Parts: sequence; C-alpha cells; structure tokens
Amino acid sequence: DAKTTQPPSMDCAEGRAANLPCNHSTISGNEYVYWYRQIHSQGPQYIIHGLKNNETNEMASLIITEDRKSSTLILPHATLRDTAVYYCIVRPSSSGSARQLTFGSGTQLTVLP
Amino acid sequence: DSGVTQTPKHLITATGQRVTLRCSPRSGDLSVYWYQQSLDQGLQFLIQYYNGEERAKGNILERFSAQQFPDLHSELNLSSLELGDSALYFCASSPQGRNEQFFGPGTRLTVL
Repeated sequence: DAKTTQPPSMDCAEGRAANLPCNHSTISGNEYVYWYRQIHSQGPQYIIHGLKNNETNEMASLIITEDRKSSTLILPHATLRDTAVYYCIVRPSSSGSARQLTFGSGTQLTVLP
Repeated sequence: DSGVTQTPKHLITATGQRVTLRCSPRSGDLSVYWYQQSLDQGLQFLIQYYNGEERAKGNILERFSAQQFPDLHSELNLSSLELGDSALYFCASSPQGRNEQFFGPGTRLTVL
C-alpha cells in the first residue's frame, strides 16, 4: 500500500470548516484513498473514500488532486465531537475479501470552542 | 453504533494467564479483522478471517490465536499474557465486495 504523510496535529474553531491534508505521492492507479477517524479510545470509524473524483457524504467531503498525489478531507462545520485522530489510508480496491488496514500516525484534530 | 459488538468491554488479568475476546460482526459481513492498539505501537493489524477461514496474518504473536465460527462470530485467544500485551483490542468487519471496515468498541485488556 502507498505511504501517506499527514500533519501530526491541527486545530479548528467550532463551526468552521476543518481541512485535513494528506500526501500520497506514490499512489498507484488502482489505489483508493480512505479516511477513518478515531475518537479517543473508541473504535475507528469509516468516513469516506474515493479514487479520483471528489466525493461527498453526510459526514465529509473528499477532494483528490488531479494527479492523485494528495487529498484533503473537509469537515464543513466542525463540532467539538469531531475532535479525533484522522487517518488517511491508501489501498487497492479488492473484490471478495477486503484487505486489512494499515494505520499511520494520523492527524490529531482538535476543535476549539 | 457500527453494528459490531465486542465482549468483554474491560478485562483485567495477571501475567501468565489466558483470556478470550469475542467479536460479533455486522449482520451479513463475512470478513472479521482483529487489531491491537497499544500506547507505543498505534493500531496494528493482527489477523483476518473470511467465512471461517484465515485470510491474512499480520503482527500476531505465536501466543495469540483466533478463529471464526460457523455463525461468523470470532474469538481472539491470548495466552501466557505479559505486561506488554496490555492494549485495546478491536474487531472489525466488512461487507462482501466492499473495502470499508466497521469497528467494534474494543476490549481494553490490562495485564497486571
């Protein structure tokens, strides 16, 4: 799986958009970008994933650059409950049984009141 | 609520002992994964089962073993416990043909 680089920590004001960057310059053509988050000591939570098009769901938006070497997770209106470690993971798509996740250090996002 | 359940929530035991952690995947999910999260190691993949068969192994110690039963629930057995085995143990499941994994709330194991 391609290696990812994320800033270790970020702050965001409550109600503002939180933009979390991720670099994955060695990404291959068949690899997707996945985002998970982990609120303190809880199980990681799937947020969103994408291949090359921008994606949006009820939780967040994912913007992938045209060259696919980096991406940004956007939480449009951050709340205190969004304080968590956010993990960017790159992995290939697979049919049948999916592969395990390889977690890096992630970004600790702190939403400030 | 992810739909994945894990028991027990907390477990305190002594060195040298053996424990069993249990996981029930989301309804219909055939794949089960076990991860360990300790303070100094982060989230580490241990082992994966798919429809009762071992599919992939990660950094799982020989003292640890797992299995997935016909009803698809899984158990992680940890034996000859050491202080360093103290960690959060998470189970995850994923739907057939999809790559998202849904994690349970974890079991916090403390070895004294």
